[in-house]
Amino acid sequence: ETGVTQTPRHLVMGMTNKKSLKCEQHLGHNAMYWYKQSAKKPLELMFVYNFKEQTENNSVPSRFSPECPNSSHLFLHLHTLQPEDSALYLCASSQGREETQYFGPGTRLLVL
Amino acid sequence: KNEVEQSPQNLTAQEGEFITINCSYSVGISALHWLQQHPGGGIVSLFMLSSGKKKHGRLIATINIQEKHSSLHITASHPRDSAVYICAVKPGAQKLVFGQGTRLTINP
Repeated sequence: ETGVTQTPRHLVMGMTNKKSLKCEQHLGHNAMYWYKQSAKKPLELMFVYNFKEQTENNSVPSRFSPECPNSSHLFLHLHTLQPEDSALYLCASSQGREETQYFGPGTRLLVL
Repeated sequence: KNEVEQSPQNLTAQEGEFITINCSYSVGISALHWLQQHPGGGIVSLFMLSSGKKKHGRLIATINIQEKHSSLHITASHPRDSAVYICAVKPGAQKLVFGQGTRLTINP
């Protein structure tokens, strides 16, 4: 247990569905991150939030929409995804942007 | 060419063997991380290094800033060490850059 939880752990969705991934951290951290891990590719940083404000968006398509209502919760809203978006989506948090990141278990997403 | 290269990509060894995983990078960095990812996806941060050497239990991580190289060693390896080990570097204030990972399998 790292103190970062993600739900759901597995998700199958069609290309026309709308779904949301949830991340919650119980560590009192101020920074939260969404990463994408596709098969045979390195981890890719998608979004960074620091004190609830989005500080990085690494050219992520608009069909992925993050939301950070408070420092403990982070959502990734999914809409009109493509099969190539199938991947493991990992959430992480850290005390500050320069500190060690703690990862959640990930949500394995399959888009049909 | 990736900014972070790990070797080997896959490593299989017998229980008890001494394991070394290497990471080379091509940019100036402020820190280097070693992460462990178990089957199922969960990632655990093992070490964050900016110089020298760190030890935690059977795990040892070293970094040579001049040579832009880091190694992760596992002594007395055990099947529960089987995982993917990922090296990540932080070029200054920029985002973490991740290596492809090394898949380690320890057979009993």
